Amino acid sequence: GESVGLHLPTLSVQEGDNSIINCAYSNSASDYFIWYKQESGKGPQFIIDIRSNMDKRQGQRVTVLLNKTVKHLSLQIAATQPGDSAVYFCAVTFTGNQFYFGTGTSLTVIP
Amino acid sequence: DTAVSQTPKYLVTQMGNDKSIKCEQNLGHDTMYWYKQDSKKFLKIMFSYNNKELIINETVPNRFSPKSPDKAHLNLHINSLELGDSAVYFCASSLTPGVGELFFGEGSRLTVL
Repeated sequence: GESVGLHLPTLSVQEGDNSIINCAYSNSASDYFIWYKQESGKGPQFIIDIRSNMDKRQGQRVTVLLNKTVKHLSLQIAATQPGDSAVYFCAVTFTGNQFYFGTGTSLTVIP
Repeated sequence: DTAVSQTPKYLVTQMGNDKSIKCEQNLGHDTMYWYKQDSKKFLKIMFSYNNKELIINETVPNRFSPKSPDKAHLNLHINSLELGDSAVYFCASSLTPGVGELFFGEGSRLTVL
């Protein structure tokens, strides 16, 4: 199986600062990693993904870093905005047919 | 156009009742899923169907019975509801099993009294 954990259940940042959300996974065979954002009352939405043959991928204001050696994944949000306030999940898959989700980190952006 | 839609959005019912949640996706995806999200926001997979065939059944009580009449629909029927069934249930779909973006519905909040 797979266990996926997040180091911090809650995170508060000042508007304009950078945010870093961390995720640890247990199965070294995991080969595909995704970050999701869930706003209150809504379903999770895809933010960015990365495959195990990469260690960094950038999107618009977001960067995902993958360290396979220590089985660690992080999501960096640049210049955090109030609209970034949400719960963030990491998800991993290794069998090709199931996603395992982490517990979630609640990000609060302070204006 | 809503990609993954599920109904009802809210469901309040008594213990022991039977209820259903419906899900439809218009993305042309082959794979659909049901996830349960508890009060601590933990998302746990329950079932996955690929082209109407069950491919994942994650030790869910047999009071829960998914049905996929075609690959665009995956419904969830729950018999003899218990207090512990209270949660938000999310339907999702992906192009193929476990690969690529998961598209989620808005969730169905079930409250069992």
